[in-house]
Amino acid sequence: ETGVTQSPTHLIKTRGQQVTLRCSSQSGHNTVSWYQQALGQGPQFIFQYYREEENGRGNFPPRFSGLQFPNYSSELNVNALELDDSALYLCASSFRQGAHSPLHFGNGTRLTVT
Amino acid sequence: RKEVEQDPGPFNVPEGATVAFNCTYSNSASQSFFWYRQDCRKEPKLLMSVYSSGNEDGRFTAQLNRASQYISLLIRDSKLSDSATYLCAVNEGTNAGKSTFGDGTTLTVKP
Repeated sequence: ETGVTQSPTHLIKTRGQQVTLRCSSQSGHNTVSWYQQALGQGPQFIFQYYREEENGRGNFPPRFSGLQFPNYSSELNVNALELDDSALYLCASSFRQGAHSPLHFGNGTRLTVT
Repeated sequence: RKEVEQDPGPFNVPEGATVAFNCTYSNSASQSFFWYRQDCRKEPKLLMSVYSSGNEDGRFTAQLNRASQYISLLIRDSKLSDSATYLCAVNEGTNAGKSTFGDGTTLTVKP
């Protein structure tokens, strides 16, 4: 069984720039969710993708966008980076129909915006 | 008020101690509940799901109290390796991918 993998592991960007983070879902999982985790806080839901369409969004502005591909891999794009976007970005895969299906997280991408 | 609240701690306990964490949630429509463990600078990993009847996995016991809207995690016979941050997570509906997390409780087990 292949786990969730994310790339890159670390990234440093300048305020105003754009960034793309990538995620490969665990095999057999058809849903991918993205979370932002600031230091000292729990993960915050950004959005979720199912069948290549956004299927739920948290309280994040439109400059956070995403894609899901036919092989269930996914991208998170953030435009016009702000200092507050510095955080650990986590991708998680799960089964869409599983009410009690837990999240399987990737190792995360640590983004620093200067 | 946050949707999911946890006592941030830190909890500092000696090896062998029993420690309990509580987590309260505000959305009465919440359907499923989980405890995750997160080591420093790592991703969260599922510790255990929480079922209505309560469930146990070795030294770990999870309980759900729907009436009072809280879940708990009990760790018996603490080990040094239990030192971590424990996150509770709540799902509102059948959408497993959208979880609301607490900010975590930090546990340090000392020799």
